[in-house]
Amino acid sequence: TQLLEQSPQFLSIQEGENLTVYCNSSSVFSSLQWYRQEPGEGPVLLVTVVTGGEVKKLKRLTFQFGDARKDSSLHITAAQPGDTGLYLCAAQGGSEKLVFGKGTKLTVNP
Amino acid sequence: NAGVTQTPKFQVLKTGQSMTLQCAQDMNHNSMYWYRQDPGMGLRLIYYSASEGTTDKGEVPNGYNVSRLNKREFSLRLESAAPSQTSVYFCASERVWSTDTQYFGPGTRLTVL
Repeated sequence: TQLLEQSPQFLSIQEGENLTVYCNSSSVFSSLQWYRQEPGEGPVLLVTVVTGGEVKKLKRLTFQFGDARKDSSLHITAAQPGDTGLYLCAAQGGSEKLVFGKGTKLTVNP
Repeated sequence: NAGVTQTPKFQVLKTGQSMTLQCAQDMNHNSMYWYRQDPGMGLRLIYYSASEGTTDKGEVPNGYNVSRLNKREFSLRLESAAPSQTSVYFCASERVWSTDTQYFGPGTRLTVL
């Protein structure tokens, strides 16, 4: 089973601060996805990265896929309370089934 | 379009009772999935259906059965519920197996006493 390790598990910050969450593995993946899940809802896809070294931006969110396609990071600039939620990374490897990390629970306080 | 819908939203069962969780998608997707989400465990795949007429086990299939009733509907059955099956269950669909975005339903919160 391919494992995705996410860190930190919990993160509580003040509005306006920057933050980075990480998704790491010893396996190489063909693609990696980041989802955000709000309380009482299902996960919603934010981005898919497929090329080693790829950087994608979504407003204040910056996603990077590692050169070796084993890790990824999500950086949020000037966090807002609306960014609060559970951030999940998910990846497809040799088995082709999507494997999810355990998530980072982010709380942005006003 | 409603996307992916799940019923019920909440359910409380006693140990040994059975129930079926329903899932439907209106996006004409070929693949459908059932996950469970437990605190600190992330999302774990129970069963999936890569296309209509096929079903396969995921990471944690024990105690569950599934039926791909047609292209739209994919149900999950607990024949004899156990407290270890207390969880939030999510159904998801995908246009084509393993190549696209998975769209998730709102979840069913199940408690087994």
